[in-house]
Amino acid sequence: SQQGEEDPQALSIQEGENATMNCSYKTSINNLQWYRQNSGRGLVHLILIRSNEREKHSGRLRVTLDTSKKSSSLLITASRAADTASYFCATDMWGSGGSNYKLTFGKGTLLTVNP
Amino acid sequence: NAGVTQTPKFQVLKTGQSMTLQCAQDMNHNSMYWYRQDPGMGLRLIYYSASEGTTDKGEVPNGYNVSRLNKREFSLRLESAAPSQTSVYFCASSEGTADQPQHFGDGTRLSIL
Repeated sequence: SQQGEEDPQALSIQEGENATMNCSYKTSINNLQWYRQNSGRGLVHLILIRSNEREKHSGRLRVTLDTSKKSSSLLITASRAADTASYFCATDMWGSGGSNYKLTFGKGTLLTVNP
Repeated sequence: NAGVTQTPKFQVLKTGQSMTLQCAQDMNHNSMYWYRQDPGMGLRLIYYSASEGTTDKGEVPNGYNVSRLNKREFSLRLESAAPSQTSVYFCASSEGTADQPQHFGDGTRLSIL
């Protein structure tokens, strides 16, 4: 069963605008990761945020995590046509005693950035 | 540095045929994973190998078997292919536990007629 659920399912914006995608999850987590998938390619890791962190930045990416609401958001600032891709959140599960190797992926948000 | 390499990239099978999907990583990672991606379903974990010599079932293991041949290679076998196994299959690797990024191959697109 899906742990993470992205919202919206699809998002279309103009180049230069900001894009915000949200992820909600059901059970407590140790960390949450965001991945990008270009059409016809594998997933590429973007950023990881741990459960004790509230915000993290990487270049034009900003990720927030609200564990009380079990939600995360990914903000891409000043978007470019090359940002067109699907974006997935992935969560592990808290309390696995250090032996947890599995991630659960959401269904993704398809972002289209129009030139 | 190739990262994660999957072969073949495309394959068409008839119902009942068998085949093995190959995956190799050159990053000296301990953990390897097999996922399937279907429209509207996201990625679902089939099997994973936390370390060389171990394998465990994921969310959708039925109809599949895996072999962790060595630290580099992790294969996925369909013994008797069914149309429901038509999908895109991704192999991934990571250094270890789920607080490490996973590195993905570009997938095998499998159609079963």
